[in-house]
Amino acid sequence: DAGVIQSPRHEVTEMGQEVTLRCKPISGHNSLFWYRQTMMRGLELLIYFNNNVPIDDSGMPEDRFSAKMPNASFSTLKIQPSEPRDSAVYFCASSPFLNTEAFFGQGTRLTVV
Amino acid sequence: TQLLEQSPQFLSIQEGENLTVYCNSSSVFSSLQWYRQEPGEGPVLLVTVVTGGEVKKLKRLTFQFGDARKDSSLHITAAQPGDTGLYLCAGLDSNYQLIWGAGTKLIIKP
Repeated sequence: DAGVIQSPRHEVTEMGQEVTLRCKPISGHNSLFWYRQTMMRGLELLIYFNNNVPIDDSGMPEDRFSAKMPNASFSTLKIQPSEPRDSAVYFCASSPFLNTEAFFGQGTRLTVV
Repeated sequence: TQLLEQSPQFLSIQEGENLTVYCNSSSVFSSLQWYRQEPGEGPVLLVTVVTGGEVKKLKRLTFQFGDARKDSSLHITAAQPGDTGLYLCAGLDSNYQLIWGAGTKLIIKP
């Protein structure tokens, strides 16, 4: 299996622009997680899905953030409008079952200028 | 709020030395996972410990889960430059949520 695939790897955008991050989980995995990692705050869980249904989005920082999982093989995390403080590495991870071993993608490094 | 505290936050040692990284909480976890993250990559699972007092070995790495399942340690023997990375612990709580530590940044100098 190719593992969790995220795109793009790097994104530089101007403040106020919409940003969409994409994730393809490992085939057959039932759970998908979106994380944000910064030096200051470490790894933070933003939202997770189980069987394509959002279970807990309490980690989403603001209404500017939204996530969807239209099918078992694709998820998006959208930030609209983006702000400089959103700059971070965003990881997608998938698990065979809820909160068993997490397999992480390589991340998207987002820079908002 | 559940917390998982890792210590030290940063460790830089010479090749060949031994080290221990700690992960502590006041909460009980049903299991605890250790991950290693290299620059530009996502975290990769090293081991999961489930039973209180459990010890698992992965070559030069020894992982232990506390008897009360509130703490864990990672001991590396004869560290090598390839061990360099960010080590993260994550505990699975009663709500099946993974609680993450802030990580220990380890640098092994040749």
